[in-house]
Amino acid sequence: NAGVTQTPKFQVLKTGQSMTLQCAQDMNHNSMYWYRQDPGMGLRLIYYSASEGTTDKGEVPNGYNVSRLNKREFSLRLESAAPSQTSVYFCASDAPRVSKETQYFGPGTRLLVL
Amino acid sequence: AQSVTQLDSQVPVFEEAPVELRCNYSSSVSVYLFWYVQYPNQGLQLLLKYLSGSTLVKGINGFEAEFNKSQTSFHLRKPSVHISDTAEYFCAVSEKGSQGNLIFGKGTKLSVKP
Repeated sequence: NAGVTQTPKFQVLKTGQSMTLQCAQDMNHNSMYWYRQDPGMGLRLIYYSASEGTTDKGEVPNGYNVSRLNKREFSLRLESAAPSQTSVYFCASDAPRVSKETQYFGPGTRLLVL
Repeated sequence: AQSVTQLDSQVPVFEEAPVELRCNYSSSVSVYLFWYVQYPNQGLQLLLKYLSGSTLVKGINGFEAEFNKSQTSFHLRKPSVHISDTAEYFCAVSEKGSQGNLIFGKGTKLSVKP
């Protein structure tokens, strides 16, 4: 039981390049989330998916797109990376009635945009 | 709109001393409250949560927190800290009946010195 996994762990991009961050969970959770963490800012929600087939914007969605590929997988895409997107990205999942409001986090993806 | 304020960005403390990390929140509706811990270069892990019932909540690693509705606070305490408690601690809130979207504070870095 791996919990929440994220790939890659590290990535360096040049401005304007694109990439997709992958996230998968094996806990049969309905809901999945993408956050970014910046120094002194805490975690801010980018997008979330309440269930397979649905996605909604969070606090800071600009410059990102997401895909809920199936119940297990939720990907985050940067179409044209900018230096302001340098951050640590965390994926999380939960099933409110089952996990009693607890979100489970992946280990993070560290992204540097030059 | 909800918000979370962690009053101290850094808290240095000596080993075996008590510690309190402060958290205040604002919301117009009933909330769930959480403390998460992040060890260096890792994802977030739930320490404890308040959903309902007793206002004193006990979590892992000897931590506890008390929900004070009148003061809109959820301070985290430990009577005797260890070197291994050195980490960043995040307070978070979600509205009851919402999707479960968490609003995080900016974090408090706890540094335990020998």
